Amino acid sequence: DAGITQSPRHKVTETGTPVTLRCHQTENHRYMYWYRQDPGHGLRLIHYSYGVKDTDKGEVSDGYSVSRSKTEDFLLTLESATSSQTSVYFCAISDPTVNTEAFFGQGTRLTVV
Amino acid sequence: AQSVTQLGSHVSVSEGALVLLRCNYSSSVPPYLFWYVQYPNQGLQLLLKYTSAATLVKGINGFEAEFKKSETSFHLTKPSAHMSDAAEYFCAVSAASGGSYIPTFGRGTSLIVHP
Repeated sequence: DAGITQSPRHKVTETGTPVTLRCHQTENHRYMYWYRQDPGHGLRLIHYSYGVKDTDKGEVSDGYSVSRSKTEDFLLTLESATSSQTSVYFCAISDPTVNTEAFFGQGTRLTVV
Repeated sequence: AQSVTQLGSHVSVSEGALVLLRCNYSSSVPPYLFWYVQYPNQGLQLLLKYTSAATLVKGINGFEAEFKKSETSFHLTKPSAHMSDAAEYFCAVSAASGGSYIPTFGRGTSLIVHP
């Protein structure tokens, strides 16, 4: 299995509080992604990174920010959590110079109450 | 722009029956195509991938998919379903865009296998 660790795996937080999810990889892959998974919507891209300090928005980026200060770490921050951000969040990595597919972490289940 | 459409949010089959999960894609450039499987409370695992070599691709657990450019399809099949195949299946497309390959996923199809 690809070395991808997401933390925390589960979190319950209150509306209006900031939340940061962490993705850590040991594969030295260039690309890292954050997706959210919701019933009936599949996986939707929030943000992605194509290198240290290089990030871009995905389909559902509103309310989220990201940072990548090291190759191995990609952080997703909800500045002020809302109930609509209750979801399962997946981190993925890829490197087109090595292979074509993305590898996924185990997911973080976030509940905003 | 690229997109994926998976026909049927749920597919129900009997154990031993043919499995057919449908996927159609849209891409302005030659794409890479993938099928992933997700078991409950787990991440996504790659089942198989098409990368412009053979159009019939074989994957793990007896699954295969055929790339049909004329139909823009990449349907997933398995001759005989097993109870352990019950899971969520996602089709994905990835194509070059400004030097990046960003995977786009379909909404998923839940495969239900009856004894």
